[in-house]
Amino acid sequence: GQQLNQSPQSMFIQEGEDVSMNCTSSSIFNTWLWYKQDPGEGPVLLIALYKAGELTSNGRLTAQFGITRKDSFLNISASIPSDVGIYFCAGQTHNNNDMRFGAGTRLTVKP
Amino acid sequence: DAGVIQSPRHEVTEMGQEVTLRCKLISGHNSLFWYRQTMMRGLELLIYFNNNVPIDDSGMPEDRFSAKMPNASFSTLKIQPSEPRDSAVYFCASSFLGGGNEQFFGPGTRLTVL
Repeated sequence: GQQLNQSPQSMFIQEGEDVSMNCTSSSIFNTWLWYKQDPGEGPVLLIALYKAGELTSNGRLTAQFGITRKDSFLNISASIPSDVGIYFCAGQTHNNNDMRFGAGTRLTVKP
Repeated sequence: DAGVIQSPRHEVTEMGQEVTLRCKLISGHNSLFWYRQTMMRGLELLIYFNNNVPIDDSGMPEDRFSAKMPNASFSTLKIQPSEPRDSAVYFCASSFLGGGNEQFFGPGTRLTVL
């Protein structure tokens, strides 16, 4: 099946630093999505990308849909303590509407 | 607008007991997904429905697991009999098929089987 490789697995950064994480796949996806999960909650959608090469921002978050359609990255600028959580990438094809998730990047922000 | 609603939020049961998890979709959505999350295996898709019809149940672990959509806005995931290895957080997500297909997750049910 389609496998997503998400890296890094975890990050420990200082407040104010920028963060970058990415996902790669051996398969092509038509949609890439990034979610954030806080402890005890379900994943919350941050950004959805629909077109190869698309670059989309949501506040301090920026995500790009790779031109090959096999990768995506998420950047967080000027991190703050509430950015702590697990970030998941997810890929979706047009053949069906289910998603495949990466293993997640656990972000810790030190004040 | 209300998001995806799941109940119960927490369930503790003994091995062998039947467990029923419930999910209410976002109003107007027509696709429903059940996921299981564990530390070891991450987020796994168990089954999903489009317009009340099960499309892919290949992620359902075994026959002890079953899922239904008795109507367009509600679903149940049943485990009978439950086993300790079923302990996990179970999420339900809904989306609008034909729209952006983005999935919106419920808060999850934390299941502990003793």
